[in-house]
Amino acid sequence: DQQVKQNSPSLSVQEGRISILNCDYTNSMFDYFLWYKKYPAEGPTFLISISSIKDKNEDGRFTVFLNKSAKHLSLHIVPSQPGDSAVYFCAAMETGTASKLTFGTGTRLQVTL
Amino acid sequence: EAGVVQSPRYKIIEKKQPVAFWCNPISGHNTLYWYRQNLGQGPELLIRYENEEAVDDSQLPKDRFSAERLKGVDSTLKIQPAELGDSAVYLCASSSQAGGLYNEQFFGPGTRLTVL
Repeated sequence: DQQVKQNSPSLSVQEGRISILNCDYTNSMFDYFLWYKKYPAEGPTFLISISSIKDKNEDGRFTVFLNKSAKHLSLHIVPSQPGDSAVYFCAAMETGTASKLTFGTGTRLQVTL
Repeated sequence: EAGVVQSPRYKIIEKKQPVAFWCNPISGHNTLYWYRQNLGQGPELLIRYENEEAVDDSQLPKDRFSAERLKGVDSTLKIQPAELGDSAVYLCASSSQAGGLYNEQFFGPGTRLTVL
């Protein structure tokens, strides 16, 4: 049972444009959400997170939006840069579970020139 | 500051052989995680340690997998015997107990295991 879903395996965006990566979850107990970025042959690195008490969190070019009623979150990257090309994982957790993360399957973003 | 160190980076073995992976977490991090990432999937937690104690091993296939963190620092994950389906990337992560909603997990580069 996939509790965190990323239905788009890949996405291609032109440099300078907006990249939108989507994530859906089914477990209503999840109340903290994270995005991780992974380059080939490296481990995932934390990018940005959002608590369920918020609907938006922004950090530079990266913004995460959370729609609790739809159990949906998205990551916006504006403007996209070639160095953003990587696999992006959505992850979710229930606070009080010692940071136990449930990951989605990932979306491979390619930013073209 | 050094990140999470894992070795080996790559391992190819024949089925039924044993294999071991080693992880050294970031200095001072007392929480250590082992994840398995199958091709095209996200990481899945196998086991979590708080110091030397395995506090969550519910997803560890105990018939063939074992792990240890004897002194609460580095850790070893072992598979014996390996099966074809064990081919995956094995990731180690560590975090501090800084408090708050989420203690950021820092990942190592992983060990890519291929079982032939």
